[in-house]
Amino acid sequence: QVQLQESGPGLVKPSETLSLTCTVSGGSISSYYWSWIRQPAGKGLEWIGHFYTSGSTSYSPSFKSRVTMSVDTSKNQFSLKLKSVTAADTAVYYCARDHWGKISGARYIWFDPWGQGTLVTVSS
Amino acid sequence: QSVLTQPPSASGTPGQRVTISCSGSSSNIGNNSVNWYQQLPGTAPKLLIYRNNQRPSGVPDRFSGSKSGTSASLAISGLQSEDEADYYCAGWDDSLNGVLFGGGTKLTVL
Repeated sequence: QVQLQESGPGLVKPSETLSLTCTVSGGSISSYYWSWIRQPAGKGLEWIGHFYTSGSTSYSPSFKSRVTMSVDTSKNQFSLKLKSVTAADTAVYYCARDHWGKISGARYIWFDPWGQGTLVTVSS
Repeated sequence: QSVLTQPPSASGTPGQRVTISCSGSSSNIGNNSVNWYQQLPGTAPKLLIYRNNQRPSGVPDRFSGSKSGTSASLAISGLQSEDEADYYCAGWDDSLNGVLFGGGTKLTVL
């Protein structure tokens, strides 16, 4: 079955850019939506945004000015870049495949599967 | 208002039935479907319920979801010690044009 694995630096300095990669195995990255979600320690989940492998993206308003998502279909990987980070961006970052669409006017979106998550600490 | 409200905690004894609520508004639950995730300590969230009441394969039928108006509920029957986890509701919000997660409910099995 499809498995996801996040990778990237565990420590980023304030004002710099956080860069993470999610590697998809057990299936093709093409023709799906893929999301990034984060969770600060001891807190709840926060959706950062998602993209479709054709290139369309949708970012949460909370991150829109700072985030870029991209895909490398040849490597079955996708990436997250979050610029101008602060300590508030310290969190476990998850990648996930999402299922997004509309039925009878109702929007649906769910995340399955998820990667195991990677902790990114923003500190000098 | 773009927020999904869950009780911070819930508890039950083994074998009992517990429910966790998720309250929203017309821009989210009222107009769109709801999903539920289970997060065991130290692990990634796992999809438990999608599109209000659908169970992915492998999820026991002890777990069920429902939706009415601008609220949704997760019910767990025959509570087991391994159900002790954080539970999150989530769904699309039309005003936010993005995904909302509830604040999470910590379930304790006494």
